[in-house]
Amino acid sequence: DIQMTQSPSSLSASVGDRVTIACLASQSVGNYLNWYQLKPGKAPKLLIYGASSLQSGVPSRFSASGSGTDYTLTISSLQPEDFATYYCQQSYSTPLTFGGGTKVEIK
Amino acid sequence: EVQLVESGGGLVKPGGSLRLSCAASGFTVSNAWMTWVRQVPGKGLEWVGRIKRKTDGGTIDYAAPVKGRFTISRDDSKNTLYLQMNSLKIEDTGVYYCSTDYWGQGTLVTVSS
Repeated sequence: DIQMTQSPSSLSASVGDRVTIACLASQSVGNYLNWYQLKPGKAPKLLIYGASSLQSGVPSRFSASGSGTDYTLTISSLQPEDFATYYCQQSYSTPLTFGGGTKVEIK
Repeated sequence: EVQLVESGGGLVKPGGSLRLSCAASGFTVSNAWMTWVRQVPGKGLEWVGRIKRKTDGGTIDYAAPVKGRFTISRDDSKNTLYLQMNSLKIEDTGVYYCSTDYWGQGTLVTVSS
């Protein structure tokens, strides 16, 4: 199984801050890398697919990059509605696996 | 508008069974790769299994912890995805989501004696 390691596991930031979350795969996932946003009581949301493609309807302050085993998600200017938990997921091979999550909290 | 609505969760004893449903609207389930994911309370996300769209063979894959106990299926006439869960264990407790590019809000399964 491909192991996905996210860092940090949590962070505190202020509105307007630039935030970066890292995701490291135990082997290459060939850009089959997705990012999701989870908020309590709401349906999870796909933000990024294919390592860097923005899902329709997702604000442009979200961006992502990476290749091989190393990927990052960046929020250029954190907004109040962005406080949530973010997960990376590889869809390169089954079993599909998720990172442990990064909780973005208000400073 | 794409919508996924899960149902069928509840409290069940270890060894029991439940069938979860995921009613879809705004797209055709048989034309999509559909996935079940669960979240243990207070923990992260775990992939449960996936069914490919018909044109890709309709292949079904399962995570090791549920293989042989859970079955994914779909009813094209109802545009609905199912997860039949048998021989449930305490560690199967969690919120179960169905998803494609969109996710439902999930349904809570609690396995407890």
